Amino acid sequence: DAGVTQSPTHLIKTRGQQVTLRCSPISGHKSVSWYQQVLGQGPQFIFQYYEKEERGRGNFPDRFSARQFPNYSSELNVNALLLGDSALYLCASSLVSRVEQYFGPGTRLTVT
Amino acid sequence: AQRVTQPEKLLSVFKGAPVELKCNYSYSGSPELFWYVQYSRQRLQLLLRHISRESIKGFTADLNKGETSFHLKKPFAQEEDSAMYYCALSGLKAAGNKLTFGGGTRVLVKP
Repeated sequence: DAGVTQSPTHLIKTRGQQVTLRCSPISGHKSVSWYQQVLGQGPQFIFQYYEKEERGRGNFPDRFSARQFPNYSSELNVNALLLGDSALYLCASSLVSRVEQYFGPGTRLTVT
Repeated sequence: AQRVTQPEKLLSVFKGAPVELKCNYSYSGSPELFWYVQYSRQRLQLLLRHISRESIKGFTADLNKGETSFHLKKPFAQEEDSAMYYCALSGLKAAGNKLTFGGGTRVLVKP
């Protein structure tokens, strides 16, 4: 098993643009969570999806949205990008019966 | 509200010396506590869960509910322990519930 995979690895966007990040969970994991990690800080929770429904949302503006597909993969969308959205975006997956989460390598987003 | 504090940004120790990474939390219920580690150019990976009470790579961590702490310890640090360490809390015993992370502690083990 390759573990959680994310694409793309790196992304450079301009202020005001929109971006879509993708995540494939570990096989058998039905829950996916998204985190934002700004340089020098710990990851901060954005969203959790389970069985294609949003189960939790962190303190992020409505410019951030996500969805989960029938195969449990997920996309994170960010509209009207700001310089402050520059960060490493992490996806994590977990089993239904377990609390611990397993992380992907992240997508490094740079907004110029 | 959930909060995790790691007071040390950087810990520098010599090989063979003990190392202790501090983690304090704030949560009104019974939390699940974790330590995650990130080695250079690798993904964030789970190191320890408090409920398993196990030792991984020589590291142990004890949950102290009275002091609301979950410090990570290793008696003899190795150079390969150099990494970024994050303490994390999950508030509900539900699958995939959000993790609240501390700011992280960078450990540097000198030869």
